[in-house]
Amino acid sequence: GAVVSQHPSRVICKSGTSVKIECRSLDFQATTMFWYRQFPKQSLMLMATSNEGSKATYEQGVEKDKFLINHASLTLSTLTVTSAHPEDSSFYICSARDLGQGREAFFGQGTRLTVV
Amino acid sequence: QQQVKQSPQSLIVQKGGISIINCAYENTAFDYFPWYQQFPGKGPALLIAIRPDVSEKKEGRFTISFNKSAKQFSLHIMDSQPGDSATYFCAASTGGGFKTIFGAGTRLFVKA
Repeated sequence: GAVVSQHPSRVICKSGTSVKIECRSLDFQATTMFWYRQFPKQSLMLMATSNEGSKATYEQGVEKDKFLINHASLTLSTLTVTSAHPEDSSFYICSARDLGQGREAFFGQGTRLTVV
Repeated sequence: QQQVKQSPQSLIVQKGGISIINCAYENTAFDYFPWYQQFPGKGPALLIAIRPDVSEKKEGRFTISFNKSAKQFSLHIMDSQPGDSATYFCAASTGGGFKTIFGAGTRLFVKA
């Protein structure tokens, strides 16, 4: 299957700073990427959908100014958590679709964000 | 968000037994139903998926049963092994935006 690489896998940052998480499709072109947030022992909650070259579409209740998403190329999307606070601590996961692979979405390995 | 309801929340099965996880949905626009396996600290990995025009799909020890009229689908893991211990998520997506909506997850523990 196609490979999606997410970086970093873990990050600790101070409250008030910003953190950028990268999601790369390594061997396919991802026209659409999705960002999820997962709290411990809970399900994945879709935060936003990003299409290459256009603005991301955010799910209801997700602050677009807080979680900045950029999808500047067919292989890279970034999520920036701005002015992070301890309540932003979570597991963030991206996924990407390859039109040539049909409906399957491939997931990154996730990023554990801890805000102290 | 459109919901996908998953049960049970947790499941303990003896090695060699059958693990069964059930999901139900309401939105008839869903047309793709994948199951994902997630280990702690890792992203989900696709196990098997089905479309609503098929009532059953089998891949190795994993089988999806799909009941379109009841809007329910289930995952059966035959000959369950300790290595199958993980969290399993059912999901559903629609055409167009292809957003994937996840169920709440089932934590499976297979006893050796």
